Amino acid sequence: DTAVSQTPKYLVTQMGNDKSIKCEQNLGHDTMYWYKQDSKKFLKIMFSYNNKELIINETVPNRFSPKSPDKAHLNLHINSLELGDSAVYFCASSQVPMNTEAFFGQGTRLTVV
Amino acid sequence: GQQLNQSPQSMFIQEGEDVSMNCTSSSIFNTWLWYKQDPGEGPVLLIALYKAGELTSNGRLTAQFGITRKDSFLNISASIPSDVGIYFCAGLNGNKLVFGAGTILRVKS
Repeated sequence: DTAVSQTPKYLVTQMGNDKSIKCEQNLGHDTMYWYKQDSKKFLKIMFSYNNKELIINETVPNRFSPKSPDKAHLNLHINSLELGDSAVYFCASSQVPMNTEAFFGQGTRLTVV
Repeated sequence: GQQLNQSPQSMFIQEGEDVSMNCTSSSIFNTWLWYKQDPGEGPVLLIALYKAGELTSNGRLTAQFGITRKDSFLNISASIPSDVGIYFCAGLNGNKLVFGAGTILRVKS
């Protein structure tokens, strides 16, 4: 059983397209996150939702819009994709907002061409 | 913003050797976490530290939460080939987890 699963694992798309990445967790956690890992492997938080409410919104272009239909799901929609959006995007979840460890998905490698 | 300085950036060691890496920060953190990332996978938690001065072991791994709450180290004893990967420290303050830049570990067998 995969605890935090995200799809797709790989996504190759052209500049200007709109794409979505989906994430689901079956751990019963209240909080979910999106992280971006750049080519230098640096991990940076983008968004965090607690019980479907946005609690962290880092300085991210507004082309990125998270959506949480319920507390087990957090999807990431990206409009008008740019070359610089190419990265690995990780979904994660934790029991409550960050007072315990976060569990990560396998990542989605996004390549914009 | 808060930053973590993680060192070394990379290590290439002989199987059986001990490994040490550390993270420092100008900010205080309430929790320190150490993660390992294998190629093509997400980070996996190795050790969590919740109190200043705390020393915690997980098999061949030992980590300590610095007494000033501004640093942490991770030791791996008797390294084996499957220890290869990227090791990240992460500091937690409030509801935000800040990651170090990672230490790439390579092991020669």
